[in-house]
Amino acid sequence: AQSVTQLDSQVPVFEEAPVELRCNYSSSVSVYLFWYVQYPNQGLQLLLKYLSGSTLVKGINGFEAEFNKSQTSFHLRKPSVHISDTAEYFCAVSDPFNNDMRFGAGTRLTVKP
Amino acid sequence: NAGVTQTPKFQVLKTGQSMTLQCAQDMNHNSMYWYRQDPGMGLRLIYYSASEGTTDKGEVPNGYNVSRLNKREFSLRLESAAPSQTSVYFCASRGWGTGGNQPQHFGDGTRLSIL
Repeated sequence: AQSVTQLDSQVPVFEEAPVELRCNYSSSVSVYLFWYVQYPNQGLQLLLKYLSGSTLVKGINGFEAEFNKSQTSFHLRKPSVHISDTAEYFCAVSDPFNNDMRFGAGTRLTVKP
Repeated sequence: NAGVTQTPKFQVLKTGQSMTLQCAQDMNHNSMYWYRQDPGMGLRLIYYSASEGTTDKGEVPNGYNVSRLNKREFSLRLESAAPSQTSVYFCASRGWGTGGNQPQHFGDGTRLSIL
């Protein structure tokens, strides 16, 4: 079965600084990878997804992620964060053979002025 | 364009009471899911329904039951609520794709407290 590990539970960063949120996965088969964002008192919204092809995936709000098969990683990056990026971010994995999706424990990004 | 709608948004129960959480989607999706979210644990799958007429257990099914009423609606029932079921519950849906490559769409959650 696949699993996801988000290496940082909290990431504080100053406004306009770059940020990287780390995600590692394990799976015995090929995977699909997703990043979601959750703002306070809301559900999860899709930021971006990797299905196949180019390993660099661009998403909404200026975020991007890079799929690294050898490192089994899918880290999320943004070159310059805004206060409005303060939220919880979840990495998730699914595969062609199961109907469910496994989520990491989440990383709380706090952007300080 | 409602997407996934959950009701109620908030609920307080006493231990031993029963309750049904409702979920409906208007995207003609085949698959629907119920998760619970607890601090530091991410989202854990309770039950899912791959298509109308089928349901399967997820990681944490104990104490819950589900009903896929039709293609649009998927309800979650707590027969005898316990304080350990205090959590935020999310419903999600997903459309057909090439086996697992479609993202899930989430409702805004139901915040449930059990005293």
